[in-house]
Amino acid sequence: GQNIDQPTEMTATEGAIVQINCTYQTSGFNGLFWYQQHAGEAPTFLSYNVLDGLEEKGRFSSFLSRSKGYSYLLLKELQMKDSASYLCAVREGDYKLSFGAGTTVTVRA
Amino acid sequence: IAGITQAPTSQILAAGRRMTLRCTQDMRHNAMYWYRQDLGLGLRLIHYSNTAGTTGKGEVPDGYSVSRANTDDFPLTLASAVPSQTSVYFCASSDSAGGGYTDTQYFGPGTRLTVL
Repeated sequence: GQNIDQPTEMTATEGAIVQINCTYQTSGFNGLFWYQQHAGEAPTFLSYNVLDGLEEKGRFSSFLSRSKGYSYLLLKELQMKDSASYLCAVREGDYKLSFGAGTTVTVRA
Repeated sequence: IAGITQAPTSQILAAGRRMTLRCTQDMRHNAMYWYRQDLGLGLRLIHYSNTAGTTGKGEVPDGYSVSRANTDDFPLTLASAVPSQTSVYFCASSDSAGGGYTDTQYFGPGTRLTVL
């Protein structure tokens, strides 16, 4: 099993930057995923990291440090539609994904 | 292409009743998964299947069973529902269960189940 910790809530202003941190403990790390989930909808895939470093995808970037058991998701140029929950998930072994409880981001005008 | 479909969208069920949640994918993915999502607890894996004909237990399997007769379908059955099984249930699938980027899990729209 693993412990995956991320903040419960964050609030930011439209156009700003928000960084969502995720820490984890695992015995067989095999990749870290970030998902976005709007209220009442299914999680949708945002990013994947398996090696240390930064992965950039448009306004979203994800960083991983395996030695520190740490990742963050960076959301730039925030838009109102970015208001959602962001789920950190760690893969252990071949298939099993363990999810954090999610961080609810509220974007204010 | 529909991706992953789930049925029903929502259901209210009396305790003790049997219920099957349906999940179908048209992406020819080998692996399929069932999760439940509860407030404050995140997504928890109930059962999974690496390929047709095989299934395995996840983190919270008690009270649930699954079958995988073919690649596309992965039904989840509650043999005798209890109120603690009130949750939102998500089905997911991935291309394979061998690790790597292509094993990204894609989720269905979910089933909201209430057991009274």
